[in-house]
Amino acid sequence: KAGVTQTPRYLIKTRGQQVTLSCSPISGHRSVSWYQQTPGQGLQFLFEYFSETQRNKGNFPGRFSGRQFSNSRSEMNVSTLELGDSALYLCASTTISRQGGDEQFFGPGTRLTVL
Amino acid sequence: DQQVKQNSPSLSVQEGRISILNCDYTNSMFDYFLWYKKYPAEGPTFLISISSIKDKNEDGRFTVFLNKSAKHLSLHIVPSQPGDSAVYFCAASGWGSGGGADGLTFGKGTHLIIQP
Repeated sequence: KAGVTQTPRYLIKTRGQQVTLSCSPISGHRSVSWYQQTPGQGLQFLFEYFSETQRNKGNFPGRFSGRQFSNSRSEMNVSTLELGDSALYLCASTTISRQGGDEQFFGPGTRLTVL
Repeated sequence: DQQVKQNSPSLSVQEGRISILNCDYTNSMFDYFLWYKKYPAEGPTFLISISSIKDKNEDGRFTVFLNKSAKHLSLHIVPSQPGDSAVYFCAASGWGSGGGADGLTFGKGTHLIIQP
């Protein structure tokens, strides 16, 4: 079974630009979550999509948005990029574990550098 | 306010010995806990999980213990191997008002170094 894929793997943008990142979950997984990882803040939850609807959202400004398509693929968009948006953006697809909780499988991430 | 805390940024253990990684949480609504392992430039890899109805879960060399009254969990790796050297993240989740599990809340990680 193919894992979670993210494209692109690396991206360099300048301040003020916008960026779109893509994530394809594991086949059969309907939930996709996005996280931002920075050295100072660790892993922080951005939002979660399930069946094309945003189900949960973390504490990030409105510049961060996302969507999910009918095939469960998801995109996240960051507009008006700031230097502080430089981070590793991770996508995770979710299944229900044997113990009944969510089990998340992460993609390799997209490393975004804002200059 | 950090809801999931890993107070040891790094831990050094000799090969063959037991590695114990600790994690504390403050949110009593968390009911599911996970451990992830991360190598540089890769996404986190799921290791083991435990729900709040249990106090122990074992999978091969990995065992997670949960002490709900102390809001503390730990990951034991026995025996430790060189390939275990990585950053380990503790994560927690709970059911919020969004109709599904809230996103995971992660600790900042502990860098485990296994020495030969």
